Amino acid sequence: DAKTTQPNSMESNEEEPVHLPCNHSTISGTDYIHWYRQLPSQGPEYVIHGLTSNVNNRMASLAIAEDRKSSTLILHRATLRDAAVYYCILHGSSNTGKLIFGQGTTLQVKP
Amino acid sequence: DAGVIQSPRHEVTEMGQEVTLRCKPISGHNSLFWYRQTMMRGLELLIYFNNNVPIDDSGMPEDRFSAKMPNASFSTLKIQPSEPRDSAVYFCASSPTGTRRTEAFFGQGTRLTVV
Repeated sequence: DAKTTQPNSMESNEEEPVHLPCNHSTISGTDYIHWYRQLPSQGPEYVIHGLTSNVNNRMASLAIAEDRKSSTLILHRATLRDAAVYYCILHGSSNTGKLIFGQGTTLQVKP
Repeated sequence: DAGVIQSPRHEVTEMGQEVTLRCKPISGHNSLFWYRQTMMRGLELLIYFNNNVPIDDSGMPEDRFSAKMPNASFSTLKIQPSEPRDSAVYFCASSPTGTRRTEAFFGQGTRLTVV
């Protein structure tokens, strides 16, 4: 399975944008890029996913590099409630629908 | 929709006892996943069902673990006998199709403590 690499932790100030990077240099052409987050004491929560084009939803934006070897999750205005572990996952036909989680990035948001 | 429902939320049991964790997926979802989360190993996929059929159980730690999905609205994960190293948070998730185009929805988890 293709792997992703994320920084262990990041810090942000409240109400500022946050850019969470993810490297996936071995991505295959059919792999979708999924992002999930896990708030303290809760189950993981879907954030966004994309294939090639940048994607926006009410929670975040996903910017995908032209060569698809990296992507960035963008939180436009971080709030204290955005403090969580963010997981970047490649979801493709090679892993039969399984979501395989890595260690993720722990985001701290400072007031 | 109530989302994915897991029970119990917390379970404390003695080593050697049988433990059964339960999951009700979101109605209409065809795929169901069981995960285990510990500080040391993070989130691990244990088993994955599609249309009630186990597709991949390569993550099940050993024969003490078993999972069933008798119908589309119910699944169980059983540990017999339980051991202290099984202490973890167990999550169930469901997905409309389980394909790479759709997202998974997670329950709140069951925190298992084996003493």
